[in-house]
Amino acid sequence: GQNIDQPTEMTATEGAIVQINCTYQTSGFNGLFWYQQHAGEAPTFLSYNVLDGLEEKGRFSSFLSRSKGYSYLLLKELQMKDSASYLCAAADSNYQLIWGAGTKLIIKP
Amino acid sequence: IAGITQAPTSQILAAGRRMTLRCTQDMRHNAMYWYRQDLGLGLRLIHYSNTAGTTGKGEVPDGYSVSRANTDDFPLTLASAVPSQTSVYFCASSDGAARGGNEQFFGPGTRLTVL
Repeated sequence: GQNIDQPTEMTATEGAIVQINCTYQTSGFNGLFWYQQHAGEAPTFLSYNVLDGLEEKGRFSSFLSRSKGYSYLLLKELQMKDSASYLCAAADSNYQLIWGAGTKLIIKP
Repeated sequence: IAGITQAPTSQILAAGRRMTLRCTQDMRHNAMYWYRQDLGLGLRLIHYSNTAGTTGKGEVPDGYSVSRANTDDFPLTLASAVPSQTSVYFCASSDGAARGGNEQFFGPGTRLTVL
C-alpha cells in the first residue's frame, strides 16, 4: 500500500534549527512536496524535490533520498510565525499526491 | 476574485440532506481537486479533474459526486449526507497535474458538520 510517515508533533526554540523527517512508500514516485498549514487555514506550498539532494530556499531547505524513501524539511532561525503543521506529500505513478498526517511544530520563546 | 474561493465557509447539515460545496478559481488552472481533512489523518483525495469536462475518483469517493462543466468551477455534492462526512473540505487547483512539481493552490476550506 501507499504510506507517508512523519512525526505527529515537535517542539523547538525560537532562533534554533529543526528538522522534520518524512518517509514514504508509494506506487511509483514523481516527487516530494512540503506544505505549511497554520491552524484553521489552508495548506501553502513550501518546496518540491524530485532529484536526490538538498534544495535551499531562504530559511527553509528540503532534502530527498529516493533510494531510502526519505525526505526532511529543515527550518533555520526559527520564528514564532513558523508555528504550524508541516505536511509531506509524495506524488505516485499517476501524479496523485499521497499526504502524510502532518507534523505540528510548536515554537517556544 | 483572486485565487481560489470556496462556499460556504461552514455549514451544519442534517443527516440525509443534500449539499453542494462550491469551488471557483480564476487562475485558469486545468486541474482541480477536492480533499477532506480529518484530525490525525492526512488530506485524502475525494475526486479530481485534470481538465474541464473530465473527472476522476480519488481515494475516498463514495457518497460524493463532482462535475466540471467549465475551467473555473468544480462543485462537490453530497447526495445524502451522513455523520462520517463531518470534516473540513478543501478545494485545490494546479496548472496541470503534479508532474513537474506543479504546486497545488488551496481554497480556504469548508467546515461541514453532519448531525
